[in-house]
Amino acid sequence: NAGVTQTPKFQVLKTGQSMTLQCAQDMNHNSMYWYRQDPGMGLRLIYYSASEGTTDKGEVPNGYNVSRLNKREFSLRLESAAPSQTSVYFCASSEAYLLGGPRGGELFFGEGSRLTVL
Amino acid sequence: AQTVTQSQPEMSVQEAETVTLSCTYDTSESDYYLFWYKQPPSRQMILVIRQEAYKQQNATENRFSVNFQKAAKSFSLKISDSQLGDAAMYFCAYRSARGGAQKLVFGQGTRLTINP
Repeated sequence: NAGVTQTPKFQVLKTGQSMTLQCAQDMNHNSMYWYRQDPGMGLRLIYYSASEGTTDKGEVPNGYNVSRLNKREFSLRLESAAPSQTSVYFCASSEAYLLGGPRGGELFFGEGSRLTVL
Repeated sequence: AQTVTQSQPEMSVQEAETVTLSCTYDTSESDYYLFWYKQPPSRQMILVIRQEAYKQQNATENRFSVNFQKAAKSFSLKISDSQLGDAAMYFCAYRSARGGAQKLVFGQGTRLTINP
């Protein structure tokens, strides 16, 4: 199974350019998320979609927009990239509600996309 | 807002020995969940273990166990019989019991090195 697939894996942008990170999951999960990972700061939630047709801001939404295209796909857009957006971006998916069992609430992550803004 | 703190940026342990990674969190909620995720050099995030706050019993998964101290808001991870494959970045994470989506708040991470 592919799980969560992100594209592209690497991207270099110039300040002011725009780009979209694509994410797709094949696990029929209702919820999807975008996180960014920076050294010494862990992962921080940018936006999430609890279910198809809904999106909500996370901890660090400024400078980003998202689209939940359908149940499978959740894209992240940088309209005018800034050097502060240089980071590794992770897409994740999960069941909508916390399920029982030792792995209940587990997030399934993609492999990450490394973005550099010059 | 909830916060998660991992005060050990780096740890190292000899192969086959035991190591404990620390995590503290701040919340005013009484019902929540705590997680440890592992990120090897491949960058793939992997769930290691989960703890429900309402359970007094500490969770265990094979060589991995936690020491959950609710009053102290502490959630440490113990890795027994460390193996080379355990080398990774480890993240502690918090999830409120409220709400449907699995929004996790992560700590800063601890890089674990295993010495052969």
